Amino acid sequence: QVQLVQSGAEVKKPGASVKVSCKTSGYTFTSYYIHWVRQAPGQGLEWMGIINPSGGSTSYAQKFQGRVTMTRDTSTSTVYMELSSLRSEDTAVYYCARTVSYGAFDIWGQGTMVTVSS
Amino acid sequence: QSALTQPASVSGSPGQSITISCTGTSSDVGGYNYVSWYQQHPGKAPKLMIYDVSKRPSGVSNRFSGSKSGNTASLTISGLQAEDESDYYCSSYTSSSTRVFGGGTKLTVL
Repeated sequence: QVQLVQSGAEVKKPGASVKVSCKTSGYTFTSYYIHWVRQAPGQGLEWMGIINPSGGSTSYAQKFQGRVTMTRDTSTSTVYMELSSLRSEDTAVYYCARTVSYGAFDIWGQGTMVTVSS
Repeated sequence: QSALTQPASVSGSPGQSITISCTGTSSDVGGYNYVSWYQQHPGKAPKLMIYDVSKRPSGVSNRFSGSKSGNTASLTISGLQAEDESDYYCSSYTSSSTRVFGGGTKLTVL
C-alpha cells in the first residue's frame, strides 16, 4: 500500500541543524510532489515547502527561505528536509505529505517530533 | 501569506449538522478550486476529507460535504457522530504556487 514513513524523533540544541527523512513506497516516486508541513505543540498546520521528486526542483515558504533545504534520492524513493539554525520556536512535529500537481495532500507520513532545547 | 481564517471552535449534538467556514482571499480560496479539508485526531497525522472544494476521497463518509462561495469555503458535517469530534483544517493552493492552511477548528460533539 501507499506509505510515507518518516525518521524518528530528534532532540537538537539551538543553532544546530536537523535532517528528517520521508521514505515513500507503493507508488511511482516521481509521479507525486512531496510537501513538508509542521505543527508546533497545540498549534495549527504550517506549510514549509515542496519538492518535485522528478527533477528535484523546490519551492519554499518565504518564512523558511535560507534555512530549509529539501532534497530527494531517487534510488531509495526518499525525500529529505533539513532545517538549520534551529531555535526553540522550531520545536514541532514535522510531516511529509504528497500531492498531485495543485491537488490535496492525500497521504501523510506519521510525523517526526523535533525538539529544540538547550 | 496569511493563514486562512477558521472559527476556533464549533459544537453540535449527535444527529445535528454543523458547518465550518474557511475565509481567504481572491489569491487563494477565491481564485482556485483547490480547497481541501483535513480531520486530525490528537497525536495523529491529518486525514484528507474533502478535496477540490467538494470531492470526497474513497472511504470518507458522505456525511461530509464541501462548498465554496467567493473567498469562503465551507465544510458541512451532517448527522453528527461522537467519532467526528476532532480538529479540522482547510487548505488552499495560492497564486504564489504555495499552499496555505487555516488556523484550525475544534469540533465538539455535545
